[in-house]
Amino acid sequence: DAGVTQSPTHLIKTRGQQVTLRCSPKSGHDTVSWYQQALGQGPQFIFQYYEEEERQRGNFPDRFSGHQFPNYSSELNVNALLLGDSALYLCASSLDQLGAGRNYEQYFGPGTRLTVT
Amino acid sequence: AQSVTQLGSHVSVSEGALVLLRCNYSSSVPPYLFWYVQYPNQGLQLLLKYTSAATLVKGINGFEAEFKKSETSFHLTKPSAHMSDAAEYFCAVSGGGATNKLIFGTGTLLAVQP
Repeated sequence: DAGVTQSPTHLIKTRGQQVTLRCSPKSGHDTVSWYQQALGQGPQFIFQYYEEEERQRGNFPDRFSGHQFPNYSSELNVNALLLGDSALYLCASSLDQLGAGRNYEQYFGPGTRLTVT
Repeated sequence: AQSVTQLGSHVSVSEGALVLLRCNYSSSVPPYLFWYVQYPNQGLQLLLKYTSAATLVKGINGFEAEFKKSETSFHLTKPSAHMSDAAEYFCAVSGGGATNKLIFGTGTLLAVQP
């Protein structure tokens, strides 16, 4: 049973460029959340996708956007990269619990390390 | 609004000693609480979770945590530290609802001395 996978593992970009990160959820999961973890900090919630729509968004600018595909995989796009966007980007998947009991367990992928120079 | 505070950004213990990592939460709704572990250059692994059932929660690798509503705490303990426990530990809270987004603390780096 494959867990959450993310690609690429590492990425180096220049300020002003755009980047796309990819995530495949754990088998059987239908919800994908993205988190940003700056060095020495805890992860911060960016947004969550369910049924191919953004369901909730954290305190991140519109430069951060995403997409969820019919197979539940997801992309995170960041435009006009800033030095401050350098971080580990984590994808987490879960099974939507509405009407199915409250579990709320999220499984995390290994992350994509983005460096902006 | 929800938040968690982890007391002590760095904790050092001797191998075989008790591990105690502190977490206090703030939540306007009954919280769900989690402890995650992160090894260097890896993602997060769930250690244990509290979801309003038993207040003493047992997790993987010998860790456990006790939910104390009166103290708004969810401290993580392990009776005897192993060298392999050296990692960063994050406490997180979720208020449930549709999105179950996690709000993390700033983490505690655990060092285990031989």
